[in-house]
Amino acid sequence: GAGVSQSPRYKVTKRGQDVALRCDPISGHVSLYWYRQALGQGPEFLTYFNYEAQQDKSGLPNDRFSAERPEGSISTLTIQRTEQRDSAMYRCASSSGTVSNSPLHFGNGTRLTVT
Amino acid sequence: ELKVEQNPLFLSMQEGKNYTIYCNYSTTSDRLYWYRQDPGKSLESLFVLLSNGAVKQEGRLMASLDTKARLSTLHITAAVHDLSATYFCARGQGAQKLVFGQGTRLTINP
Repeated sequence: GAGVSQSPRYKVTKRGQDVALRCDPISGHVSLYWYRQALGQGPEFLTYFNYEAQQDKSGLPNDRFSAERPEGSISTLTIQRTEQRDSAMYRCASSSGTVSNSPLHFGNGTRLTVT
Repeated sequence: ELKVEQNPLFLSMQEGKNYTIYCNYSTTSDRLYWYRQDPGKSLESLFVLLSNGAVKQEGRLMASLDTKARLSTLHITAAVHDLSATYFCARGQGAQKLVFGQGTRLTINP
């Protein structure tokens, strides 16, 4: 596709439920990133992949959060046993190479609301 | 702890005026990025600054980087309403991680 595609655009879930957020990066992009953006704040790093390998997951808040990119393309961010504090915009980004050589291209995000 | 701080956080200005947004960061880095975000939209890359003294310009926006001062600036010349948005700077950390500032919400009034 022309850009980074994320689904769903909006997700409302009840506390304690699991959610899976999907990201389809720009075709051919090697690197894929997950960020979380609270209202009125800048994006906060969660994790990133080069191809299918998860290179850094230091930003994942706790073990309820996990991510995968099994075939080096589409990625899924999963949050288990959601809590109200997980409510935020979750943004995926991709880049054609390492960050120092190319900017990140962000998707439109998934707005998660935990009630 | 790595910090990226922007100043000001809110800026209201009139069309035709010039202004500068400042981005300070706490540890040395040779990579600095500027993004624009319109309300309800995603982030759009504006500039990538990769070395000390780098200067890039696109239309009415010009970005510069001083790694010794740990400072980047985004200068707006003769502002127009279309430039109203939130502007974020981000610093590279490690190989592929970005740390973002809080953002500067810019409103340009006719």
